Amino acid sequence: KAGVTQTPRYLIKTRGQQVTLSCSPISGHRSVSWYQQTPGQGLQFLFEYFSETQRNKGNFPGRFSGRQFSNSRSEMNVSTLELGDSALYLCASSNTGELFFGEGSRLTVL
Amino acid sequence: AQKITQTQPGMFVQEKEAVTLDCTYDTSDPSYGLFWYKQPSSGEMIFLIYQGSYDQQNATEGRYSLNFQKARKSANLVISASQLGDSAMYFCAMRSLPGGTSYGKLTFGQGTILTVHP
Repeated sequence: KAGVTQTPRYLIKTRGQQVTLSCSPISGHRSVSWYQQTPGQGLQFLFEYFSETQRNKGNFPGRFSGRQFSNSRSEMNVSTLELGDSALYLCASSNTGELFFGEGSRLTVL
Repeated sequence: AQKITQTQPGMFVQEKEAVTLDCTYDTSDPSYGLFWYKQPSSGEMIFLIYQGSYDQQNATEGRYSLNFQKARKSANLVISASQLGDSAMYFCAMRSLPGGTSYGKLTFGQGTILTVHP
C-alpha cells in the first residue's frame, strides 16, 4: 500500500515568488491536512481538506492557500514568499483514525 | 484551546534500556485522542501509538506503550529495549473527538530528541 507522497521534496525560492506543493494521500483516504514545521514554532496546523472542501484552517495569513481535487490529491500554495516561510511542509492523510504523514517538502526562501 | 507540553528537550538512553518520554496536555474537550509520532532526520512523521480518552486500558504497540493518566492529564510514551534506530525526535499530539468536523487537526508538543547510545 503506497504511503503519502509529497512533491517536490526540496525546493529553493526567492522572496516574493510563489510556490505550489503537492500531496497524494493514501488510496481511499479522503482527508488531507497540511502542517508547517519550523525550529522556532514547531509543528503548526495549516488547513485540512475533506472531499474537496476546506474543513478547518489554522492561524496563517491569506498568502497560504490550498485545494483538494476529486481524487483527493491536494495542493497548497504560498504566494509572495517571505524568509520566514522557510520550513518543512508536511502533508497527512486520514480517514477516521490516525494521521499518516508524508516525508515533507523542504522549502528554503532566499 | 488545546495545549501539549513536552518538558524534556533531549533524552539519552543506553541501548536495550527502557526510556520514558513525558507528555502533559490541557484541553476542555470532553473526549480526545492522544498520539505519539517519531520523526527521524529524514523528516517523515511516523505514527507510533494512539490512546483515546475513554479507553480503559493503556495502549501498547510492540515496544511502545502509552502510560495514560487522565486525572493528571499525562500521556507518557514508554519505549522498552531501546535500539539505535530509535534515535529521533518524538512528538506528542492530540485532537478532539469525535471527528465529524476535523480528523486532521492535531496539536503538537515541541518534541523530545531521543539519543540511544550503544
